[in-house]
Amino acid sequence: GNSVTQMEGPVTLSEEAFLTINCTYTATGYPSLFWYVQYPGEGLQLLLKATKADDKGSNKGFEATYRKETTSFHLEKGSVQVSDSAVYFCALSGYNTDKLIFGTGTRLQVFP
Amino acid sequence: DAGVIQSPRHEVTEMGQEVTLRCKPISGHNSLFWYRQTMMRGLELLIYFNNNVPIDDSGMPEDRFSAKMPNASFSTLKIQPSEPRDSAVYFCASRTAGDGQYFGPGTRLTVT
Repeated sequence: GNSVTQMEGPVTLSEEAFLTINCTYTATGYPSLFWYVQYPGEGLQLLLKATKADDKGSNKGFEATYRKETTSFHLEKGSVQVSDSAVYFCALSGYNTDKLIFGTGTRLQVFP
Repeated sequence: DAGVIQSPRHEVTEMGQEVTLRCKPISGHNSLFWYRQTMMRGLELLIYFNNNVPIDDSGMPEDRFSAKMPNASFSTLKIQPSEPRDSAVYFCASRTAGDGQYFGPGTRLTVT
């Protein structure tokens, strides 16, 4: 079945450091891929998405590229801020389904 | 757009009481999802609707849980009777075809 695997957290960085959060997936067909962010005490927010191979999703300085050859969708940001501290979830939506399969989430902590 | 609206934001109740959580999806979205989030189990999909019809309720824990969607702009999740192990944050999300899911702010339920 479909599944998503994320790197274990927490990821701890200093402000302005480069961020990578790894995400790999297993799916049949051609899933759509998503990154969600959850700030403390809030719901999940859709951060970015990609719907086909080689698509790059981007938003608020974050980027992720849909790599079918490596079944990956790693999240990157060139310079993190303290305000980026949150939990990040990778997710996929299989072909012809409304359901999202979430990874377990990766906590990011950014210190000044 | 107001986004997904959930009420109440916080609910504290005693074991054995009935609890009703409410959700108003984003206008025009035709799929609605109910999730539960806890530290132990993470994010779990309870049930989802497509065009007001329940499609998959395999995540509903037991008969104490029920969900309805009487029209395109309103859904309820009811727990009767409630138990302490039901304490969690309950999220509602909605989507339209081809897009990601958009989450509400959640209802934090505490059952004492």
